[in-house]
Amino acid sequence: GQQLNQSPQSMFIQEGEDVSMNCTSSSIFNTWLWYKQDPGEGPVLLIALYKAGELTSNGRLTAQFGITRKDSFLNISASIPSDVGIYFCAGFNFNKFYFGSGTKLNVKP
Amino acid sequence: EAGVAQSPRYKIIEKRQSVAFWCNPISGHATLYWYQQILGQGPKLLIQFQNNGVVDDSQLPKDRFSAERLKGVDSTLKIQPAKLEDSAVYLCASSHGQLNEKLFFGSGTQLSVL
Repeated sequence: GQQLNQSPQSMFIQEGEDVSMNCTSSSIFNTWLWYKQDPGEGPVLLIALYKAGELTSNGRLTAQFGITRKDSFLNISASIPSDVGIYFCAGFNFNKFYFGSGTKLNVKP
Repeated sequence: EAGVAQSPRYKIIEKRQSVAFWCNPISGHATLYWYQQILGQGPKLLIQFQNNGVVDDSQLPKDRFSAERLKGVDSTLKIQPAKLEDSAVYLCASSHGQLNEKLFFGSGTQLSVL
């Protein structure tokens, strides 16, 4: 199947810092999605991207659909303790969703 | 709008026992998915339904796992008999199956096989 490489695997940051994570693939996708998963819960959709080059914001979160359609990144500005969790990227193509292995974010107050 | 409903939230069984999970997707969503998520990994697709038909079950261990979506709405996933390596979170998700797809997840069932 199509693989998504998500990096970094984990991050330890100070409250107030900005965060950047990305997702790359050898395959082209038509849609990129970003999720956050808290312990014991299912992933929650944060941002959906549908066009190459698209830049979309949701509060302190900003995500971009790479021009090559093979990558996407997610930025979180001014991190707060409740940003702690695992962030997953997902690509959609040919009626299937493919997931990265996640970026675990830790925020120190 | 109600989200994807799953039950139970937690289940502890012994190996070789059977277990069933239930899912009710978002109203109007044609596509329903069951994923297995092992700790530290992304969700892995087990089976995908379009209405009441199976689109993809290539990763479903069919000797022990079964799933159905008889009326094209809610779905059940069964494991019989369970193995230790089946310990994971089982996530149900749904999408409307149209342009500009979005995938919505339920809260999951955390299964522990002892």
